[in-house]
Amino acid sequence: DQQVKQNSPSLSVQEGRISILNCDYTNSMFDYFLWYKKYPAEGPTFLISISSIKDKNEDGRFTVFLNKSAKHLSLHIVPSQPGDSAVYFCAASGGNTPLVFGKGTRLSVIA
Amino acid sequence: GAVVSQHPSWVICKSGTSVKIECRSLDFQATTMFWYRQFPKQSLMLMATSNEGSKATYEQGVEKDKFLINHASLTLSTLTVTSAHPEDSSFYICSADGRGLAGVTDTQYFGPGTRLTVL
Repeated sequence: DQQVKQNSPSLSVQEGRISILNCDYTNSMFDYFLWYKKYPAEGPTFLISISSIKDKNEDGRFTVFLNKSAKHLSLHIVPSQPGDSAVYFCAASGGNTPLVFGKGTRLSVIA
Repeated sequence: GAVVSQHPSWVICKSGTSVKIECRSLDFQATTMFWYRQFPKQSLMLMATSNEGSKATYEQGVEKDKFLINHASLTLSTLTVTSAHPEDSSFYICSADGRGLAGVTDTQYFGPGTRLTVL
């Protein structure tokens, strides 16, 4: 049973537009959420996180929104750049547990 | 879908002993696996990249003599924490490169993690 779901395996966005990557979770004990970015032939690198006490966290072009009632979070990238093309993983944890990852969404930013 | 398993899921050991953690790709071959350490409420720290048939590549600051990695086959990588100390207590998570699985080129599959507690 997947506790963290990224239902869109891929997404294409034009350069300069907004990219919105979505993530849903089922475990109400999750209280910390992270987004990772992965380029080919490299391991994932941390991008941005959010604690459940917040509903928004912003870092430059990247903003993560958390809707606890819907058990949904999203990553917004604006403006999107070709270098943002990568696979994005959503991850969640609750209490003293390992991170649980989604299956990833492949973002392609088209120039 | 592709599955990565880790064994054991939870281990408690005495200080000074060594602990081996296994990471297996169950239905695909993984030429590259990654080992991470996770601290509470923190993101993953990449420890090393494990390539089948060759020596692991360690990240800066990670002691390769303390964290021994062996990637002996295309489906198995092991991490051995030698002479474990309480400060080594953490979650250790592996992931496997998805290259080689039909229809998948550059994604990654994460294991469920191993909780190490050193007393």
